[in-house]
Order: sequence, then C-alpha cells, then structure tokens
Amino acid sequence: DTGVSQNPRHKITKRGQNVTFRCDPISEHNRLYWYRQTLGQGPEFLTYFQNEAQLEKSRLLSDRFSAERPKGSFSTLEIQRTEQGDSAMYLCASSLMDRESYGYTFGSGTRLTVV
Amino acid sequence: QKEVEQNSGPLSVPEGAIASLNCTYSDRGSQSFFWYRQYSGKSPELIMSIYSNGDKEDGRFTAQLNKASQYVSLLIRDSQPSDSATYLCAVKRTAGNKLTFGGGTRVLVKP
Repeated sequence: DTGVSQNPRHKITKRGQNVTFRCDPISEHNRLYWYRQTLGQGPEFLTYFQNEAQLEKSRLLSDRFSAERPKGSFSTLEIQRTEQGDSAMYLCASSLMDRESYGYTFGSGTRLTVV
Repeated sequence: QKEVEQNSGPLSVPEGAIASLNCTYSDRGSQSFFWYRQYSGKSPELIMSIYSNGDKEDGRFTAQLNKASQYVSLLIRDSQPSDSATYLCAVKRTAGNKLTFGGGTRVLVKP
C-alpha cells in the first residue's frame, strides 16, 4: 500500500472556474477526511466520510463546495466558481474506525492557486 | 477563543537542547490528543497520541497531558536540526470524529 494519494499535486485556475480534486485513501481505511490549510495556519476541517456516507460538514464548506465518496473508495472534492480566497492546500486523510489511536494518515495534498 | 491554541513561534533552540511546545484546548469533552510534525511544503505526519493524564514517552519525544488544566505539551529531547518543522497539536472530542488542529508552532533547531 502506498498510502493516501491525492491528485493533482498542483492546480492553477482562473477565478470563476470549477475544479475537482481526487483522493485515494489507504485501501482498508473506512474513514476519509478533507481539510484545507492556508499558509501559517493549521489544517481546517471541511468534511468527512465513513464508507460512502458523508457524516459531517463544516460551516466553512459553502454551497460552492461538494464532496463525494462513491462506493466508499476514492473521494472527490469539487469547488465551483472558484474565488481567490479558495487558494490553499487541500489535504485528504484517512483512518480505520477502530484504530484511530493511530491518528490520521495524510496525503501529500493538492495546492490550489486561483488567479 | 480558538478551540485549540498554540504559540506560533518560532521557537529557537540550540542543537542538543530540549524543545518544549505547549497547546491548550477549550472543549472539556476532548478525549484524544495528537501531535503532528509538518515540514515546509509537506503534509502532517503523526508523532504521538496521548489519552490519559500524565506523560507518554516515545524515543526523544514526550507528550504530557493535563485534562484538568486543558493542557497538552510536547518535549523534544536532544533536538536535532532535522527536528526543525512546524508542530501541530490536534484534539478529538468524544462526540464527533474529526480532529481539530491548532495553528502550529514553528521550531528552529540551530546547529
């Protein structure tokens, strides 16, 4: 297993465009999390899935953001009508429900720049 | 008041010294506590977790938890230049499953 994989690593987009990121968690992990991190700040929680069910969404997640995890495997995070304030590192993490004492395993992230 | 607070630093320590990092949290329902290390441009990686009051040691790292004071700390003994990074404190409440992170403390270990 190669860990949590995120694609693309970098994305530059024009304001107003839509973008989609993908996260492939560790295969046996049933929980998947999305976080956003800006420079000099800690990761901010966006949403999480247990299997295919989206169980919690942050108030930070405006209606321009949507996430899916079809079949409880990979997940996608879509941002519609991007704004400059969306520029950040988007981190995906996964965990195994009964072994969260091991914490989350993070992917390398997708860095989004909105110009 | 932020849910998890850390001094942003930078905390500058000479090589071989002890680095002491502090974290306070606001939710008394928090039950699990984690320290992550994040190198510049990289993703966070787990260093330690702690659940019970007291100390927990792992190699050069010691985590300390005091739930009454809502305080968790991390000690790095014999600091090395490779320890230079941002250290993130994260807490998990009993209700809900997400980790809430502090803003991180930047540590600089000078040779």
